[in-house]
Amino acid sequence: AQSVTQLDSQVPVFEEAPVELRCNYSSSVSVYLFWYVQYPNQGLQLLLKYLSGSTLVESINGFEAEFNKSQTSFHLRKPSVHISDTAEYFCAVSETSFQKLVFGTGTRLLVSP
Amino acid sequence: DVKVTQSSRYLVKRTGEKVFLECVQDMDHENMFWYRQDPGLGLRLIYFSYDVKMKEKGDIPEGYSVSREKKERFSLILESASTNQTSMYLCASSLAGGGQETQYFGPGTRLLVL
Repeated sequence: AQSVTQLDSQVPVFEEAPVELRCNYSSSVSVYLFWYVQYPNQGLQLLLKYLSGSTLVESINGFEAEFNKSQTSFHLRKPSVHISDTAEYFCAVSETSFQKLVFGTGTRLLVSP
Repeated sequence: DVKVTQSSRYLVKRTGEKVFLECVQDMDHENMFWYRQDPGLGLRLIYFSYDVKMKEKGDIPEGYSVSREKKERFSLILESASTNQTSMYLCASSLAGGGQETQYFGPGTRLLVL
């Protein structure tokens, strides 16, 4: 069975500062990795995903995540955050053959001016 | 544009009532999912469906049932609501295939059971 750990429940940062949201997973089989974002009063939407190939994946709004197989991690980073990035971020994992997503407990990113 | 809609944003019910949560997707997706979201617990899968009239239990199916009579519609049913079912309920859909498919989520229904 897979599991996902997001150690930080809340990360406060100032606008234009860099941020890293940590995600570690455990699985005995090959997996795909996802980051979903939930803006206030909305459902989740996909931010980025790792399927194969380059271990560094990017989103259209400046976030990136790096798949590290040896450390079983998929940390999310952004070099300079905006107020509008305030949201809850969920890391998730699925088996390659089966579409059941297992989510972490989420990290609330709070960006202040 | 991809769209998943849920019948209510907020719902207040009494203990013991039968509750229906409806979800509709307009993307012709084969798979549909129901999650509940609780603070500190993230999202947990209740049930999913990979085809009309097909359903599979997720991680926390107790106290819930589902119905999928049409491809675009997936209903979650609380047979006898209890206070511990107070939560945010999220519906999602995706194309058939392996684990690489993106799930598209509705805006959620916040259910309060008194």
